[in-house]
Amino acid sequence: DQQVKQNSPSLSVQEGRISILNCDYTNSMFDYFLWYKKYPAEGPTFLISISSIKDKNEDGRFTVFLNKSAKHLSLHIVPSQPGDSAVYFCAASAENDMRFGAGTRLTVKP
Amino acid sequence: NAGVTQTPKFQVLKTGQSMTLQCAQDMNHEYMSWYRQDPGMGLRLIHYSVGAGITDQGEVPNGYNVSRSTTEDFPLRLLSAAPSQTSVYFCASTFGTVNSPLHFGNGTRLTVT
Repeated sequence: DQQVKQNSPSLSVQEGRISILNCDYTNSMFDYFLWYKKYPAEGPTFLISISSIKDKNEDGRFTVFLNKSAKHLSLHIVPSQPGDSAVYFCAASAENDMRFGAGTRLTVKP
Repeated sequence: NAGVTQTPKFQVLKTGQSMTLQCAQDMNHEYMSWYRQDPGMGLRLIHYSVGAGITDQGEVPNGYNVSRSTTEDFPLRLLSAAPSQTSVYFCASTFGTVNSPLHFGNGTRLTVT
């Protein structure tokens, strides 16, 4: 029972354009959402987060949007750079339980 | 500052063997956890600990044991390895609750034949 879903296994965009990564969740108890980025042979690293009391959080080129009624969040990267090529995991937490999506592999072409 | 250190990086076991995956952090984090990563499944929580002497089960705890005798160390024990436990294992830690960003180790790739 995957409570956090990333339905696009991969995404390819041109350098300079916007990358939009999507994530859906089913558990309405989740109250905190995070995005992690993972390069090969390394552990995931934290990218950006959002609390359920907000609908948007921005950090430089990265913006996370949360739509609680739709149980949907998205990560926007503008402008995309080749160094952004990685696997992106969305995660949702409630108390001490954090659940991850299966990940989306982003490729940014020069 | 080493962060979260996992050993070994790679391990091959035969079915039925036991082993311990080591995890240590030097950031004085109270919360530590173990995840496994499988293709198409993302990261799944195995066990977690909110402090020394306290452990709890996550989403997929069967076949694994943990203990937390110190703040720094959180070893994961496979009691009798099975091919279904072939995976990449990540240890993570954070200060406070799981809502704080997790710091991950670089993973242990385990193959059970």
